[in-house]
Amino acid sequence: AQTVTQSQPEMSVQEAETVTLSCTYDTSESDYYLFWYKQPPSRQMILVIRQEAYKQQNATENRFSVNFQKAAKSFSLKISDSQLGDAAMYFCAYRTNGGAQKLVFGQGTRLTINP
Amino acid sequence: ETGVTQSPTHLIKTRGQQVTLRCSSQSGHNTVSWYQQALGQGPQFIFQYYREEENGRGNFPPRFSGLQFPNYSSELNVNALELDDSALYLCASSLFGFEQYFGPGTRLTVT
Repeated sequence: AQTVTQSQPEMSVQEAETVTLSCTYDTSESDYYLFWYKQPPSRQMILVIRQEAYKQQNATENRFSVNFQKAAKSFSLKISDSQLGDAAMYFCAYRTNGGAQKLVFGQGTRLTINP
Repeated sequence: ETGVTQSPTHLIKTRGQQVTLRCSSQSGHNTVSWYQQALGQGPQFIFQYYREEENGRGNFPPRFSGLQFPNYSSELNVNALELDDSALYLCASSLFGFEQYFGPGTRLTVT
């Protein structure tokens, strides 16, 4: 079974600085997808960025980018120019390919932005 | 484009009761997945519906059941509620399970 581990329960960063959130996963599949979701206090899970395992190029969405290391099974999220609105729980998720396309989530990292 | 909606927002039930939670999927999506998120945890997959049939199930007992309707909306039913069922229940819609977009969730409290 696939597992996702986020080793940083909490992180903090100064506004306008850069922060990196870590995620590792375990799988025997060769083709899969990885996601980062953001969950603000409003509770709604918001898709931040996705990465296809077959793509070597790291995904980028505006201030958000990932460092995908397939051999190391590592998938970190970098947030540049941090803004107060970035404060939230961040979840790393792995999407299985067989059967149901279910998401397997990590435990989350709480990100605080200091003004 | 209408996003994923869920109802109700909150509800409180007594142990042993039954509850039904509802989800309307985003337009153009045909697959609905349900997740349970306990306080301070990541969401856990309950099951997924595609073409009105269960398409996969997580490690949840049979008292968790669901439906998907022809318009792709969905219900989650939980019978014989237990205190540990207290959680945020999230619905996610997608096209064939690909990118899953979540609703705001229903907060269930069992007393």
